[in-house]
Amino acid sequence: GAVVSQHPSWVICKSGTSVKIECRSLDFQATTMFWYRQFPKQSLMLMATSNEGSKATYEQGVEKDKFLINHASLTLSTLTVTSAHPEDSSFYICSARIGTSGREHTDTQYFGPGTRLTVL
Amino acid sequence: GQNIDQPTEMTATEGAIVQINCTYQTSGFNGLFWYQQHAGEAPTFLSYNVLDGLEEKGRFSSFLSRSKGYSYLLLKELQMKDSASYLCALMDSNYQLIWGAGTKLIIKP
Repeated sequence: GAVVSQHPSWVICKSGTSVKIECRSLDFQATTMFWYRQFPKQSLMLMATSNEGSKATYEQGVEKDKFLINHASLTLSTLTVTSAHPEDSSFYICSARIGTSGREHTDTQYFGPGTRLTVL
Repeated sequence: GQNIDQPTEMTATEGAIVQINCTYQTSGFNGLFWYQQHAGEAPTFLSYNVLDGLEEKGRFSSFLSRSKGYSYLLLKELQMKDSASYLCALMDSNYQLIWGAGTKLIIKP
């Protein structure tokens, strides 16, 4: 159980185009989904926290107009990188959590396999 | 504020035991997680501790002492496939994960 899928697994695009990444929880309903970015040999960096049916909460320094997040249902969140530039090239990873209760089953974030974005 | 420390890199021998330590400082605590991340892949969940003590899961065990702000991940009977980064993550009072920088574990034959 607790499987999270992400699509696409990799994408190459031209500078100035927009890219949409989907994150789905396959066998559970996720009240909260998270979007991370990770540059080579660096730590995970949280970009935003997304709750179903409400606006995402962005971390400091993350442009909400550039990284559009839509958490339309309890099993789907999307991240759209608008007008992508080479510096946006990175490994984007989503995670999903059932909720919070102080228990492993609900509090654990389960990660998707990641999307490697290369902007030419 | 919160702070998490773990060693940057460790080396161990195949078949041996290794302990990866994580110390933290936080005003609010809702649990501590360990994740494994192989190069180029997303993290995978290993363990969750919210109460003091040792949690054992096969070759992997995780320990927590809340009073000392200390946790460790113990890996037994090391295999080459255990070469990865091990991430310690603290869940704060807002149920947000605060990530450590990760410990790169190198296993040698």
